[in-house]
Amino acid sequence: GQNIDQPTEMTATEGAIVQINCTYQTSGFNGLFWYQQHAGEAPTFLSYNVLDGLEEKGRFSSFLSRSKGYSYLLLKELQMKDSASYLCAWEDSNYQLIWGAGTKLIIKP
Amino acid sequence: SQTIHQWPATLVQPVGSPLSLECTVEGTSNPNLYWYRQAAGRGLQLLFYSVGIGQISSEVPQNLSASRPQDRQFILSSKKLLLSDSGFYLCAWSRTEPYEQYFGPGTRLTVT
Repeated sequence: GQNIDQPTEMTATEGAIVQINCTYQTSGFNGLFWYQQHAGEAPTFLSYNVLDGLEEKGRFSSFLSRSKGYSYLLLKELQMKDSASYLCAWEDSNYQLIWGAGTKLIIKP
Repeated sequence: SQTIHQWPATLVQPVGSPLSLECTVEGTSNPNLYWYRQAAGRGLQLLFYSVGIGQISSEVPQNLSASRPQDRQFILSSKKLLLSDSGFYLCAWSRTEPYEQYFGPGTRLTVT
């Protein structure tokens, strides 16, 4: 079967670091996406991992291990504006995205 | 640069009424187009996707339909809305490769 799991909600403090995990089980896999979605808004693209390893983009980094079916999004120097839901999605062999339910990240001052 | 438009932004419709949501993309040609629905606090559910004019694939059985009359226009329709059709409807586009999807602003539909 095909499944993707991420925590429902996480809380972190402004200025800190937070890691949001995503695990998936699938028989066909091309890559993994991370999106940010603020409340009431559309998702916006953050990162795409095809190969194992860490991709860094400013304060945000994304990691992928294909053999373990595991990815994480790392957010550094958290700001209040980072309060949002973070969606992971894996790309199947037909290039369709299979979406997780999202992790709601709450940032406290 | 590419932009994607969706309208209306919000819609309140009675049960049994018809629906038409429109999505258009500018600045690219032959995009892949997608319709998603997102229930409150939930993930994205793919409803339809299209790889070209007149080519529609349906992911879930429902009372909704989609059409692509022009290369950069994607329409979501229903003849009779149900209460369960309420949700946040998102249109997205992607290139053939890479496949990251870019979303329109969404339409919040409430069926009463």
